[in-house]
Amino acid sequence: DGGITQSPKYLFRKEGQNVTLSCEQNLNHDAMYWYRQDPGQGLRLIYYSQIVNDFQKGDIAEGYSVSREKKESFPLTVTSAQKNPTAFYLCAIRDRVAGYGYTFGSGTRLTVV
Amino acid sequence: GQQVMQIPQYQHVQEGEDFTTYCNSSTTLSNIQWYKQRPGGHPVFLIQLVKSGEVKKQKRLTFQFGEAKKNSSLHITATQTTDVGTYFCSHWGSQGNLIFGKGTKLSVKP
Repeated sequence: DGGITQSPKYLFRKEGQNVTLSCEQNLNHDAMYWYRQDPGQGLRLIYYSQIVNDFQKGDIAEGYSVSREKKESFPLTVTSAQKNPTAFYLCAIRDRVAGYGYTFGSGTRLTVV
Repeated sequence: GQQVMQIPQYQHVQEGEDFTTYCNSSTTLSNIQWYKQRPGGHPVFLIQLVKSGEVKKQKRLTFQFGEAKKNSSLHITATQTTDVGTYFCSHWGSQGNLIFGKGTKLSVKP
């Protein structure tokens, strides 16, 4: 979506490998979020960051790591410790202009082969 | 966080029929947000409701927040094939993040 970019769109990973998903925004928003989506499960929060150099675990943080070294970037690493990493990963920012809703990126579909 | 339950999980309608999805909580919510996700796409923010008994309309979509602020509904009048997708309700948790329901998947038969 405008102002928030996720890459790549599709990603294939071999079991045992770590992989990093990119999320970049140019809207100068403080808060950024990572969600995981599985069929029938809705969206589940992995990690979020309210400010640079600070982040908190969400409901399903095990097997994931993040960093927030710059305001515009919030990369997510899916580690080999994540037992079931195949999913659709969504990054979001809190958009005060859009009535305080989230603006989501277009997502990354990760498949472990 | 406080979970919200959405019903039904799936809804199949004939084009032109109405559609309603419900979002229920066991506790009082400060707000409700609704999102639409088209097949293969990402969720898109539709609206936020904050006041008890609030009703908002967007063309054929009507959003309601219950008087007790424990439930909400999204009603679509005369569905079209462009309405296909999954509709999620959500609310702001105490940690400053959105908590989502599992969604209602709508399919529309032309």
